[in-house]
Amino acid sequence: AQSVTQPDIHITVSEGASLELRCNYSYGATPYLFWYVQSPGQGLQLLLKYFSGDTLVQGIKGFEAEFKRSQSSFNLRKPSVHWSDAAEYFCAVGAGFGNEKLTFGTGTRLTIIP
Amino acid sequence: DAGVTQSPTHLIKTRGQQVTLRCSPKSGHDTVSWYQQALGQGPQFIFQYYEEEERQRGNFPDRFSGHQFPNYSSELNVNALLLGDSALYLCASSFDREGYGYTFGSGTRLTVV
Repeated sequence: AQSVTQPDIHITVSEGASLELRCNYSYGATPYLFWYVQSPGQGLQLLLKYFSGDTLVQGIKGFEAEFKRSQSSFNLRKPSVHWSDAAEYFCAVGAGFGNEKLTFGTGTRLTIIP
Repeated sequence: DAGVTQSPTHLIKTRGQQVTLRCSPKSGHDTVSWYQQALGQGPQFIFQYYEEEERQRGNFPDRFSGHQFPNYSSELNVNALLLGDSALYLCASSFDREGYGYTFGSGTRLTVV
């Protein structure tokens, strides 16, 4: 069975600073990987996804993520954060192509300080 | 174009009661999945409905059941509520032929007292 680990429960960064959120997955075959963002009281919004091909994927809001098979990682990055990026971020893995269930990590809460 | 609509947004139930949550999928979507998100946790997959049948199921007891209607809308039913059922329940819709094209609703916050 697949699993996702997000080692950082809470991260605080200054506005304008760079950001990296860590995600490690466990899955025997080629994973389908996702990053979602959740603002308070809201549902989940997809930031980006990796299915195959180029291991560096670009998403919305200036986010990118890099798939590293050797490290079983899919870390999310942003070169310069904005106050509006404060939210909860979830990494997820899907097993097989299609509408398979998503397995989520426990999330990383991002706080932005002026 | 409306996204995924869930109702109600909040509700409070007493332990032992039964509850029904509703989800209207995004226009053009035919598949509905339900997730439970406990406070401070990531969402956990409950089940998925396609063509009015349960297609996949997560590790949830039989107290959790669902239904999908011909118009693709869906209901989640939970019987014999426990305090531990308190959570945000998220509905995600998708089109079966589009892999992982999930659109999530804003959820229903269920509190069991």
